Amino acid sequence: QKEVEQNSGPLSVPEGAIASLNCTYSDRGSQSFFWYRQYSGKSPELIMFIYSNGDKEDGRFTAQLNKASQYVSLLIRDSQPSDSATYLCVGGTASKLTFGTGTRLQVTL
Amino acid sequence: DAMVIQNPRYQVTQFGKPVTLSCSQTLNHNVMYWYQQKSSQAPKLLFHYYDKDFNNEADTPDNFQSRRPNTSFCFLDIRSPGLGDAAMYLCATSRDRGGGGPQHFGDGTRLSIL
Repeated sequence: QKEVEQNSGPLSVPEGAIASLNCTYSDRGSQSFFWYRQYSGKSPELIMFIYSNGDKEDGRFTAQLNKASQYVSLLIRDSQPSDSATYLCVGGTASKLTFGTGTRLQVTL
Repeated sequence: DAMVIQNPRYQVTQFGKPVTLSCSQTLNHNVMYWYQQKSSQAPKLLFHYYDKDFNNEADTPDNFQSRRPNTSFCFLDIRSPGLGDAAMYLCATSRDRGGGGPQHFGDGTRLSIL
């Protein structure tokens, strides 16, 4: 069982819609979670991080964490074609980071 | 302003010819990481330094070595590159190890093996 699981996609959403990206994790020692966006051939870019249960909003992005369900999500409102990329979910314990395999998002015109 | 700088952006080497990739940072972070990423896969951690303390992942081949001469610089040495080592190599830094803070990635070096 992978420690951080994501649906590989592609997740296709129309421009202007809300994209919902989901991630589950198995290590209950995970304390912090990070979402990275990675365009093809480029390096990962930090989008959001969340440490506490609940929602955290930054512009069009909202990260949600539910530690009881071991579930993390990233919502992208008003999706734009420039949001088309792979989104990596990363879980962190005190000593290590574990990457999910990423979800490919396609925003269609 | 670039905070984690990798050089070169593209590197071509011959099968079996040693190659060195470099990474520098202006963030004064304690931790520096090297990842290998192949197409459509997640980054795979090779090793990291916490200050001068080197931490190798159990499944990192002996062919891969690293040096961190000071806080700002870290090098990845591939002693005898094979065709399977063609990949994007990513350097990242963070203030603390694990989930203590986000990682900041450089732009990566794409390595090709002839």
